[in-house]
Amino acid sequence: EAQVTQNPRYLITVTGKKLTVTCSQNMNHEYMSWYRQDPGLGLRQIYYSMNVEVTDKGDVPEGYKVSRKEKRNFPLILESPSPNQTSLYFCASSGVYQETQYFGPGTRLLVL
Amino acid sequence: SQKIEQNSEALNIQEGKTATLTCNYTNYSPAYLQWYRQDPGRGPVFLLLIRENEKEKRKERLKVTFDTTLKQSLFHITASQPADSATYLCVGNTNAGKSTFGDGTTLTVKP
Repeated sequence: EAQVTQNPRYLITVTGKKLTVTCSQNMNHEYMSWYRQDPGLGLRQIYYSMNVEVTDKGDVPEGYKVSRKEKRNFPLILESPSPNQTSLYFCASSGVYQETQYFGPGTRLLVL
Repeated sequence: SQKIEQNSEALNIQEGKTATLTCNYTNYSPAYLQWYRQDPGRGPVFLLLIRENEKEKRKERLKVTFDTTLKQSLFHITASQPADSATYLCVGNTNAGKSTFGDGTTLTVKP
């Protein structure tokens, strides 16, 4: 089944404790992207990647890192999480023309 | 900065009527616009895509238009059903990979 998977689905952590949210797709897609969704602010793009070893900042990259060492994986790293990073995070992927984006199920993060 | 605005936060209509959702873009010219449906607690699901050189696209009961003069896209659901109740997201995309989402319009279709 074609899908985007994210892990973990739910995470509670404390300020400053490094964490990684994994994202994996099995559709051989070139393009992958991370978003955060907050009430009243909609989905905002954090980082995106057009292909392996190519990443670019979205609208809200501060406090996040990404890497794209393999085509299927695009992990999101929070080196020192803060409470304002409490949010619902979505990973998405699409084919070479970045058209239809397939979204993962979301990761709900709470930073205390 | 580039912006996508969806005019209505909420839209309530009666079953069988046509729902029309509006999306306006400012400070850039997206190469294409997409519409997604999002149900509570779930990831967005793709519905339709329209390019800047296209005026209109249809898929079953869905229709989307792209007016580059007005900098606007309209999304229509004809013969609406309670199952169409959801939040609908408009997204502007550049060919460089940047995606800008609107805040969404929550549609409620009453029986």
